[in-house]
This record gives sequence, structure tokens and C-alpha cells, in this order.
Amino acid sequence: EAGVAQSPRYKIIEKRQSVAFWCNPISGHATLYWYQQILGQGPKLLIQFQNNGVVDDSQLPKDRFSAERLKGVDSTLKIQPAKLEDSAVYLCASSSQRRDTQYFGPGTRLTVL
Amino acid sequence: AQKITQTQPGMFVQEKEAVTLDCTYDTSDPSYGLFWYKQPSSGEMIFLIYQGSYDQQNATEGRYSLNFQKARKSANLVISASQLGDSAMYFCAMREEGAQKLVFGQGTRLTINP
Repeated sequence: EAGVAQSPRYKIIEKRQSVAFWCNPISGHATLYWYQQILGQGPKLLIQFQNNGVVDDSQLPKDRFSAERLKGVDSTLKIQPAKLEDSAVYLCASSSQRRDTQYFGPGTRLTVL
Repeated sequence: AQKITQTQPGMFVQEKEAVTLDCTYDTSDPSYGLFWYKQPSSGEMIFLIYQGSYDQQNATEGRYSLNFQKARKSANLVISASQLGDSAMYFCAMREEGAQKLVFGQGTRLTINP
């Protein structure tokens, strides 16, 4: 069974530029999560989808971050415009249902200069 | 208030020894789940083991076991017969029944010495 796929693996941009990350969850998983992991810290949930609906986006900086999961499968996370403090690893995870174990992708390491 | 506390920023252990990674948590929800994940230098988070708050037995998965002490609100990970490949960051996480989302601790960096 294929795991969670993410792309790109690495991205370097300048501040005020925009960037987008893509995630394809494990086949059949209804719930999809985006986490931000700043160096030296544990991951922090940004947004959670159940199918194509948002369950929790309370920690998403909505003035610059957006995410969508239009067909209930893959998802895109966008930052526009990026700030220096957005430098982090962005992890995507999926689970079969909301209470099930979450499985993570390899992450996208973002560096904002 | 921090809900998951991992007090050991780093640990160094000889190969083949057992190691215990500490995790304490704070919740008022009677129903919750506790998770341990391993994060190698490559970056992916690998699920290791799960313990439910109502589980009567401590969880075990191969060389991993979870020492769950509910009254003390601790959920320590025990790795038996450590291997060089166990060197990684280890994160404890909790999911409250009401909140659904995972909340992670700061992590412990484990280094296995040959």
C-alpha cells in the first residue's frame, strides 16, 4: 500500500513570494491533516479536512495561508506572501477516520530567505 | 498550558541496551489516546505505538512497549535491545476525544552508540 505522498521535498523562496505544497493521502483515507514543524519543535496542526470539508483550521494563519481539498482526495497548502518565520517542514498526514492513527508523508522543507 | 511534556531533550545509549523515553501529559478528558512517533533525519514521522486511555494492558509492538501509568499521567516509551537504526527524534502525542487533533511534545533526540 502506497504511503502519503508530498511534493516538493524542498523549496527555497524569498520573503513575500508565494509557494504551494501538494499532498496525496493514503488511498481511501477520508481525513487529511497539514502540520507545520518548526526546527526543534513538535508538529503543530494547521488544518484538518474530513473528505473535502474543513474540520479544524483554528491555528491556520488565514491572512496568508490557505488550503483546499476539492475532490476529497489530494490537497494543496498555499502560503502567500511568505514570511521568514514560515521556514519549517510542512507535513501532511492522513487517517482512515478522524479517530484513527495518522500516517505521515515525508514532508516539504521550506526555507524563506 | 503545555499538554505533552518530554523532559529529555537528548539521550545517549549503548547499542543493545534498553532505553526509556519519558512523556507526561495533561488532560481533563477521560477519553484520550497516546501515540509515539519516530522521526529519522530524513524527516518522515513513523508511527510506533498507540495506547488508549481505557486500555487495560500496556501496548506492545515488537521491540516497543508503552509504560502507561494513568494516575501519574505518564506514557513512557520503552525500546528493548536498541539498534543503531533507532537513532532519531521521538515524539509523544495525545489526542483528546473532544478535540480530535494530535498535540505533540517537543521531542527527545535518541542517539545509539556502537
